[in-house]
Amino acid sequence: AQRVTQPEKLLSVFKGAPVELKCNYSYSGSPELFWYVQYSRQRLQLLLRHISRESIKGFTADLNKGETSFHLKKPFAQEEDSAMYYCALIKDTGNQFYFGTGTSLTVIP
Amino acid sequence: ETGVTQSPTHLIKTRGQQVTLRCSSQSGHNTVSWYQQALGQGPQFIFQYYREEENGRGNFPPRFSGLQFPNYSSELNVNALELDDSALYLCASSLAGGGSREAFFGQGTRLTVV
Repeated sequence: AQRVTQPEKLLSVFKGAPVELKCNYSYSGSPELFWYVQYSRQRLQLLLRHISRESIKGFTADLNKGETSFHLKKPFAQEEDSAMYYCALIKDTGNQFYFGTGTSLTVIP
Repeated sequence: ETGVTQSPTHLIKTRGQQVTLRCSSQSGHNTVSWYQQALGQGPQFIFQYYREEENGRGNFPPRFSGLQFPNYSSELNVNALELDDSALYLCASSLAGGGSREAFFGQGTRLTVV
């Protein structure tokens, strides 16, 4: 069965420091991986997905099929990055999202 | 372009009652999915509707049911409410066959069962 694991519920970093939010998944097929973000009092919104291989707001994420990971990284954290981050996957055979439990990121000024 | 809207934003119901939550999908989208997000958890897939038919269902009992209308808006109905049904219910719309599998989420309906 598919599963998305985000091992850190809470993560605090100082402004300007690098940040990495971990995401591991288990699925035997070829999933599509996403990062969704929820800023305070806002709705869940897409941050990035692995197939587009883009950088959004300075964040990048590389799909590592060998380690079944899709960690989210940013070299220099900003205060406005403070939010809840969810890793999610879609199986190759469907289009429902399987979400992790989320990581709450706090960037300390 | 209008976004996904859900109503109501908050709701309090008594155990055993029934509730209907509503969702208007984003303009141009033909697929609606519903998710339940309990406190401290990620969203859990309830079911999806495409062309007014259920197109996939998660691990939720039959007392969770839904509808999709010709304009692609949707309802989530929950019968015989239980205390554990207290959660944030999210609606997400997407365009099946559009190439992108991105889903756009509404702001959610916070249901409290007492």
